[in-house]
Amino acid sequence: DGGITQSPKYLFRKEGQNVTLSCEQNLNHDAMYWYRQDPGQGLRLIYYSQIVNDFQKGDIAEGYSVSREKKESFPLTVTSAQKNPTAFYLCATQRKGAYQETQYFGPGTRLLVL
Amino acid sequence: GQQVMQIPQYQHVQEGEDFTTYCNSSTTLSNIQWYKQRPGGHPVFLIQLVKSGEVKKQKRLTFQFGEAKKNSSLHITATQTTDVGTYFCAGPPDDKIIFGKGTRLHILP
Repeated sequence: DGGITQSPKYLFRKEGQNVTLSCEQNLNHDAMYWYRQDPGQGLRLIYYSQIVNDFQKGDIAEGYSVSREKKESFPLTVTSAQKNPTAFYLCATQRKGAYQETQYFGPGTRLLVL
Repeated sequence: GQQVMQIPQYQHVQEGEDFTTYCNSSTTLSNIQWYKQRPGGHPVFLIQLVKSGEVKKQKRLTFQFGEAKKNSSLHITATQTTDVGTYFCAGPPDDKIIFGKGTRLHILP
């Protein structure tokens, strides 16, 4: 939402090309997540990070890579190993508390392979 | 692993009719959350339920958390065109939320 920016809004990738999707937040949230959403489908977790310099694989990490060098940033690279990358990519953040906190989503990036 | 199942996958209703979506977890949840995603948009948090048997209302939306904390429902009374979208439930395991696949609501004018 207001504190999460994703760029670009639309991205076109050629076959065999790596592309990086940006996710920046100013909410001071510790946790950040990347989801993939295919048309008419739910959210599938790619990678997540609970703290700077640490991240974990989600359910569909193959063909993707991430880094978390700063608290504010969690870029996602879609590599050429991802054979079907066309999808809507959503970044989310979460503040960690006593109860599971809500997730706040960015506006998303739509990736299309040419 | 833990799963969160949602039914139905799709629902078409006439404007003014009621709508309900159901969420079931394979394990007990400490809390459950509901999100709404408008067509072309991103998921937005609606509500969180924590207590067994809890019922919360937001205008025409009623959310329930089951006594066993393994199921939940969202009921919309007298649907309007603004209710169009996909409704997701989400439950927390240890360090990441698991989302149901969502129920897509389509309103017929």
